[in-house]
Amino acid sequence: DGGITQSPKYLFRKEGQNVTLSCEQNLNHDAMYWYRQDPGQGLRLIYYSQIVNDFQKGDIAEGYSVSREKKESFPLTVTSAQKNPTAFYLCASSGRYRGNEQFFGPGTRLTVL
Amino acid sequence: GEDVEQSLFLSVREGDSSVINCTYTDSSSTYLYWYKQEPGAGLQLLTYIFSNMDMKQDQRLTVLLNKKDKHLSLRIADTQTGDSAIYFCADHASGGSYIPTFGRGTSLIVHP
Repeated sequence: DGGITQSPKYLFRKEGQNVTLSCEQNLNHDAMYWYRQDPGQGLRLIYYSQIVNDFQKGDIAEGYSVSREKKESFPLTVTSAQKNPTAFYLCASSGRYRGNEQFFGPGTRLTVL
Repeated sequence: GEDVEQSLFLSVREGDSSVINCTYTDSSSTYLYWYKQEPGAGLQLLTYIFSNMDMKQDQRLTVLLNKKDKHLSLRIADTQTGDSAIYFCADHASGGSYIPTFGRGTSLIVHP
């Protein structure tokens, strides 16, 4: 079955630690995205990548980093510089043409202790 | 910049129709999508409409597009408790960007 997976589902982090969230897709999509979701805030774009070895900052990139070494994978690192990292993180992928729908993973809930 | 607005909450009784509204600002918008998010899960595409259409019907779902007023609506007929979720309106192709703009989502609560 084609799809997009995220791991882990729940993640706990102590203040001052970096953590990496995994996102993998087998849909052969060129574009991948990371969103942050907070209650009542909708989706906010953190980073996106249109092609391997290239990525761009979204609206709230500060305190986050990404890599795109393989087409299938787009991991997100939440660094200690992110002041309020507790949130629900969603990864998505799509074709890289205008109007292509996005396919979302099941999400990772990150809690800072 | 591009903006997509939705009301945050809607409460209906089981069996009634639900209408979720969305407004957008970019007159060049061509691809408008509705996504559904169940609690603790990712978003799933529900339906979509292209700007050359006024209406699209898909089983219990009806999407209406008023391009003049830049208004989009999603009607769910015979709403069931399983329809309780957050519904996001998304503009997938405003201007030259292929990055979608999402509304903040409407929480639909269905009472038995």
